[in-house]
Formats: sequence, C-alpha cells, structure tokens
Amino acid sequence: RKEVEQDPGPFNVPEGATVAFNCTYSNSASQSFFWYRQDCRKEPKLLMSVYSSGNEDGRFTAQLNRASQYISLLIRDSKLSDSATYLCVVIDNNNDMRFGAGTRLTVKP
Amino acid sequence: NAGVTQTPKFQVLKTGQSMTLQCAQDMNHEYMSWYRQDPGMGLRLIHYSVGAGITDQGEVPNGYNVSRSTTEDFPLRLLSAAPSQTSVYFCASSYYRGAGADTQYFGPGTRLTVL
Repeated sequence: RKEVEQDPGPFNVPEGATVAFNCTYSNSASQSFFWYRQDCRKEPKLLMSVYSSGNEDGRFTAQLNRASQYISLLIRDSKLSDSATYLCVVIDNNNDMRFGAGTRLTVKP
Repeated sequence: NAGVTQTPKFQVLKTGQSMTLQCAQDMNHEYMSWYRQDPGMGLRLIHYSVGAGITDQGEVPNGYNVSRSTTEDFPLRLLSAAPSQTSVYFCASSYYRGAGADTQYFGPGTRLTVL
C-alpha cells in the first residue's frame, strides 16, 4: 500500500466550477501535511499547508482529518490557470517528505 | 540568489554509461535531497544529506551514489545507467531535515532517458 494515495483523475471541469481532491495517508505518526502544485514539466511548488483546524487561502480550502488520516483540497470558482497536477505531501515521523502521485486537473473555458 | 540549480536539464544515456547530475544551492541550507518522479508513483527519495560529509539512503537508493563535500553541492551519480532509471530527477534543499514544506526549495529538474 502506498503511504500517500490520491485519486489520479484526470478531473476536467468548466471555468467557475468547484472541485475537490482527496488524499489518504497510511502513517498515523505523520506530522505535517501540504498541498503542492506541479505544472507540466516543472518542479513542484508549495500551494498551502494543511492544519487540523482547516485553512483557507482565497479560493483554496484545505482540511485535515487526523482520525481518518484524510486530507482534502477544495478549489472554488476554478480558473484556467488552475490547470495543473496537485500533489498531496506528508512529512512522516522520520522527517521525510512523502508524496502522493498527484491528481491532474484541467479547467476548460 | 539563484536558489537550487540543476544541470543538465535533459540527458540521454545508453545502458551501462555513467553520469553525474549536478545540484547546487546558494541559500546555505544544511539539508539536501534527491528525488525521482515516475508516472503514477509520485516523488520518491533517493538519497539525502544533513550536512557536508554526511549522506544517507532514502527509499530508492539502488544504482545511485552521492557525496557532499561542500554545503552548496550535492551531485548524484549513476554508475551504470539502466532503462529503469529513466525518470525526472529533482534536487531539493532546506535548512534542516523535516523543515516545513514552506522552506523546502526544489530545483527545476533533470529529465533523463536511458536507452
């Protein structure tokens, strides 16, 4: 079983749609949680951290459920520029970053 | 301040050839790491270093060597390339191991094809 699992998609949505991505992790001792964005043929870049209390950054909302070992990312009012692959990332109890395989999003006009 | 730089951007090798992927950072980061990214697999840790002179294996170290003679540089060596090493390689650095992702910096990647 992979340590971090994501629905690979692809998700194809129209502009203005709301889309949600899910992620589960297997190591209950994991410490920190993040969403990264990766554009085609580019390096991953941090989108936002994920806190137990949930956090919001503009159109993006991240949630963490430690009991279910589940992380989510909600994107509201999708823009064409949101098209990318979204990576779920967990820092485990060895302080190593564990990456999900990513969920691909395409926003269409 | 260039951040994390990697060379080359692209490389094609024949099976059995050797090469070194270069990684350098100018942020005085102690922790540096190498990942490979394959379709459907996510990024996987190959080797890491917590400071000059100290290296250790990650999740998928076989077929790769590293050294860390300076704080700035962390080269990755393929001693005898195999087609299974065809991948995109990312170098990353941060102040310390386990630093939050908001202080982790990735290089632009090296696309390697082994024929």
